[in-house]
Amino acid sequence: DQQVKQNSPSLSVQEGRISILNCDYTNSMFDYFLWYKKYPAEGPTFLISISSIKDKNEDGRFTVFLNKSAKHLSLHIVPSQPGDSAVYFCAASGGTSYGKLTFGQGTILTVHP
Amino acid sequence: NAGVTQTPKFQVLKTGQSMTLQCAQDMNHNSMYWYRQDPGMGLRLIYYSASEGTTDKGEVPNGYNVSRLNKREFSLRLESAAPSQTSVYFCASREQPGQGKDGYTFGSGTRLTVV
Repeated sequence: DQQVKQNSPSLSVQEGRISILNCDYTNSMFDYFLWYKKYPAEGPTFLISISSIKDKNEDGRFTVFLNKSAKHLSLHIVPSQPGDSAVYFCAASGGTSYGKLTFGQGTILTVHP
Repeated sequence: NAGVTQTPKFQVLKTGQSMTLQCAQDMNHNSMYWYRQDPGMGLRLIYYSASEGTTDKGEVPNGYNVSRLNKREFSLRLESAAPSQTSVYFCASREQPGQGKDGYTFGSGTRLTVV
């Protein structure tokens, strides 16, 4: 049972435009959500996070939105740059998973010049 | 550079062979983790160690064992490798379970193929 789902395996965006990556979760005990970025042959690197007490968190070009009632979060990248091309994983923790991360399947983002 | 170091980076095993994946971190983190990444599955937790001297099973522990040798090192052992264990393995560390909002630090991975 996949508790964290990223239903879009890939996303293609033009440079300068907005990239929106989506993630859904089923476990209502999750209270902390993270996004990771992964380049080929490297480990995932932390990008941005959000606690369930917030509905938005910004860090430069990256903003994460959380809709708890819908159990949905999204990552917005504005403006998108070719260097943003990577695999993006959303992850969640909380409840019995406290301190451990449950990952989604990942979305491959390609930003075209 | 500070971080998480995994060895080896690549390995090919025959079915039934054993091997140990090594992981070391130099950030003085208490918690360490082993994940595997498979296409379409994301990263799944195999085992973790919340602190030196403790280990616990994650989501997919079958076929694996771990050792938290000291605060720095956390190894993953495959006693009898199977083709289903073909994957990319990531080790990660974290400062305190549940504390801080900066996420994990991951190693660069070990790509394992079992034939």
